[in-house]
Amino acid sequence: EVQLVESGGGLVQPGGSLRLSCAASGFTFSSYWMSWVRQAPGKGLEWVANIKQDGSEKNYVDSVKGRFTFSRDNAKNSLYLQMNSLRAEDTAVYYCATLFGPRYFDLWGRGTLVTVSS
Amino acid sequence: QSALTQPRSVSGSPGQSVTISCTGTSSDVGGYNYVSWYQQHPGKAPKLMIYDVSKRPSGVPDRFSGSKSGNTASLTISGLQAEHEADYYCCSYAGSHTVLFGGGTKLTVL
Repeated sequence: EVQLVESGGGLVQPGGSLRLSCAASGFTFSSYWMSWVRQAPGKGLEWVANIKQDGSEKNYVDSVKGRFTFSRDNAKNSLYLQMNSLRAEDTAVYYCATLFGPRYFDLWGRGTLVTVSS
Repeated sequence: QSALTQPRSVSGSPGQSVTISCTGTSSDVGGYNYVSWYQQHPGKAPKLMIYDVSKRPSGVPDRFSGSKSGNTASLTISGLQAEHEADYYCCSYAGSHTVLFGGGTKLTVL
């Protein structure tokens, strides 16, 4: 079955760290750009970061630059998002998604909720 | 990196057509033919409905169509059905391998 499954979300205090994972299956993972997209409660979608097929290029939205690090392990068909210096405004459901092109998202996971609160 | 502009809400009766607009700039919507649209039902992950302005992925009915003029893209849904009630988001390539979403539009089927 073609799917993406996120994990690692939870409650963390402001200033804390969290590492999200995304496991891919059913498709040739190493052929795709991959992305993280987040959605704050009751709000719209926000692109967070993407990574090239071989991990040689990474791009981030300005609000997370220097705090979040996106990586991938093609041997394990997995993505990782290391999130440091977390802020209340980082509270959101985080989705991993394939980014074809890289210009559109054609496969999405179900998301994992990150809550930053004291 | 400002979000693309969408109307907060649109509505229509069953069988009617509705159009959702998405306005950006010459650096995103107007600069590339790489606009995509996503449908999101409450509590669910987004679903790709249109890519590259007007192309439909396999399985998306032809009642969904996309277009673009200048810095504004549009999604039209014809023959509205209750199941079309959802949030819709546009997204555009914005150069340097980055993308930008719209703020989202809530479609209500009356």
